[in-house]
Amino acid sequence: QVQLVQSGAEVNKPGSSVKVSCKASGGTFGNYAINWVRQAPGQGLEWVGGIVPIFGSPNYGQKFQGRVTITADIFAKTAYMELSSLTSEDTALYSCAGGQGYHYGSGIPYWGQGTLVTVSS
Amino acid sequence: QSALTQPPSASGSPGQSVTISCTGTSTDVGGYDFVSWYQQHPGKAPKLIIYEVTKRPSGVSDRFSGSKSGNTASLAVSGLQADDEADYYCSSYAGSNTLTFGGGTKLTVL
Repeated sequence: QVQLVQSGAEVNKPGSSVKVSCKASGGTFGNYAINWVRQAPGQGLEWVGGIVPIFGSPNYGQKFQGRVTITADIFAKTAYMELSSLTSEDTALYSCAGGQGYHYGSGIPYWGQGTLVTVSS
Repeated sequence: QSALTQPPSASGSPGQSVTISCTGTSTDVGGYDFVSWYQQHPGKAPKLIIYEVTKRPSGVSDRFSGSKSGNTASLAVSGLQADDEADYYCSSYAGSNTLTFGGGTKLTVL
């Protein structure tokens, strides 16, 4: 059973960057896709991007291209998501979520507790 | 990538059945058999209830079933129970190692 534990809540100023971590336990880290999904208050789910750690190359949602960087440290069993040029529209709960294998389309059964990122001056 | 289209709301009485649709395009829903459905109760993380169009994870009730026709996927919930009241989201593989989600459907059990 994979468990994902994320870093704590963040408050950031407009124009700054935020980096969220996601540490995995259980399972074999690297053998499944790690997705980053955000949910703004009262809104739906939005895929930010993902990475399969053993492959190394991240993939990003079109909306976030150029502004997000997703990385993974296999030895630390930790994935990271950094989002730059923050605006108030980036205020949301950011969750890391583990897939069922290498393919992003195979469903996401494992979810972290979420990290609330608030962008405010 | 564009968000998949779901009805904002659906409802049914206890014991009844309800179906929620999820419409995409030939580049996502219609192009791959990689549609998933998630149930989300308020304040909780999403729970995977259907993956790869029709498959149920272990422990998920067989009252939930998935299907797909063309560019539209559907989630059917039979024998509605009070605890089924939640938000439901579809997602689809959209090619090039990307995913897209639907806008969500709020299911109310009357």
